[in-house]
Amino acid sequence: DVKVTQSSRYLVKRTGEKVFLECVQDMDHENMFWYRQDPGLGLRLIYFSYDVKMKEKGDIPEGYSVSREKKERFSLILESASTNQTSMYLCASSLIGSDEQFFGPGTRLTVL
Amino acid sequence: EDQVTQSPEALRLQEGESSSLNCSYTVSGLRGLFWYRQDPGKGPEFLFTLYSAGEEKEKERLKATLTKKESFLHITAPKPEDSATYLCAVEGGGFKTIFGAGTRLFVKA
Repeated sequence: DVKVTQSSRYLVKRTGEKVFLECVQDMDHENMFWYRQDPGLGLRLIYFSYDVKMKEKGDIPEGYSVSREKKERFSLILESASTNQTSMYLCASSLIGSDEQFFGPGTRLTVL
Repeated sequence: EDQVTQSPEALRLQEGESSSLNCSYTVSGLRGLFWYRQDPGKGPEFLFTLYSAGEEKEKERLKATLTKKESFLHITAPKPEDSATYLCAVEGGGFKTIFGAGTRLFVKA
């Protein structure tokens, strides 16, 4: 089975802190994605990557950056956390040419 | 602008009471419409992809259909274990996936 793991299930940070969210997949998928999920808004794409060291902005990249140094790992970075970044963050991966995205369990981030 | 709207926001059914969830979409150049299931505290799990109007897909008690403007997820004789949030998403010409807000389904025994 494809497994997508995320470093933390719950995270509490202070305003202004630098936050790292890690995502690892074990099925050699080329594509990796970061979404945030908020009530009433659905999932919104922050960044995605089609290959190592490659990144593309999604719909809401402001305040975030990403890093993909290895194929299996995709990191989301909040350079200076703000309260409006309190959300559920979901990582996903997929094979090139496949419709199916495999999601991790999510990280619920609270910024105080 | 690409958009996905799901209705209703929440649906409460008795076990065995069939119903449908709606997904209306506006997208330039539909490449695919996707249905996912999400259980509380978990990430979404893929169910179906539909590519063109008239296409249908089935899985157990679920059947997804597609027209040029909307998709329906029909649930036949639901069981309590079908309770979840069902997400609809579309991929258009921009190669990005746009998700709807979801329909929360509650099935009571």
